Amino acid sequence: DAGVIQSPRHEVTEMGQEVTLRCKPISGHNSLFWYRQTMMRGLELLIYFNNNVPIDDSGMPEDRFSAKMPNASFSTLKIQPSEPRDSAVYFCASSFSGEQFFGPGTRLTVL
Amino acid sequence: DAKTTQPNSMESNEEEPVHLPCNHSTISGTDYIHWYRQLPSQGPEYVIHGLTSNVNNRMASLAIAEDRKSSTLILHRATLRDAAVYYCILKSGGSNYKLTFGKGTLLTVNP
Repeated sequence: DAGVIQSPRHEVTEMGQEVTLRCKPISGHNSLFWYRQTMMRGLELLIYFNNNVPIDDSGMPEDRFSAKMPNASFSTLKIQPSEPRDSAVYFCASSFSGEQFFGPGTRLTVL
Repeated sequence: DAKTTQPNSMESNEEEPVHLPCNHSTISGTDYIHWYRQLPSQGPEYVIHGLTSNVNNRMASLAIAEDRKSSTLILHRATLRDAAVYYCILKSGGSNYKLTFGKGTLLTVNP
């Protein structure tokens, strides 16, 4: 298995633009997590899905952030409009029995 | 979520054992102790977890105090590749897969 796949690996955009981050979880995993990591705040859970259904989105910073999981093999995290304070590394992780497997992350820079 | 306390940083020499401590005095009876690590520029990776008994796997050993208020991750022979941030995390049992990352311990391994 290729592991959790995230795209793009790097994204540079200007303030106000829409950003879409993508994640393909490990086949057979039924839970998917989106995290954000910054120097100031560390690693924060944004949202997690179980069987494609959002279970806990209390970590989503504000309405500019939205996440979807249309099927078991794909999820997106969208930021619209983006702001400089959204600059961070965004990780996707998937799980089946508790252990979480993380992707390589997307480094987002908002200018 | 019950909190964990870890030293900010530790140093070790290559090929020597490393003992990474974690205090979790408010742990509940159903909390599992999980350890993850994050190598530079990578996503976190699972290391080991346990509930009450000591655990061993190919990566490390986990020693859990009898009262469960503290635990120690043991790397038997540190290598340069073990240089990473190590996170000690309490996770509720059952279907709740939520992980809450703290600041972790930055382990430096000297050649």
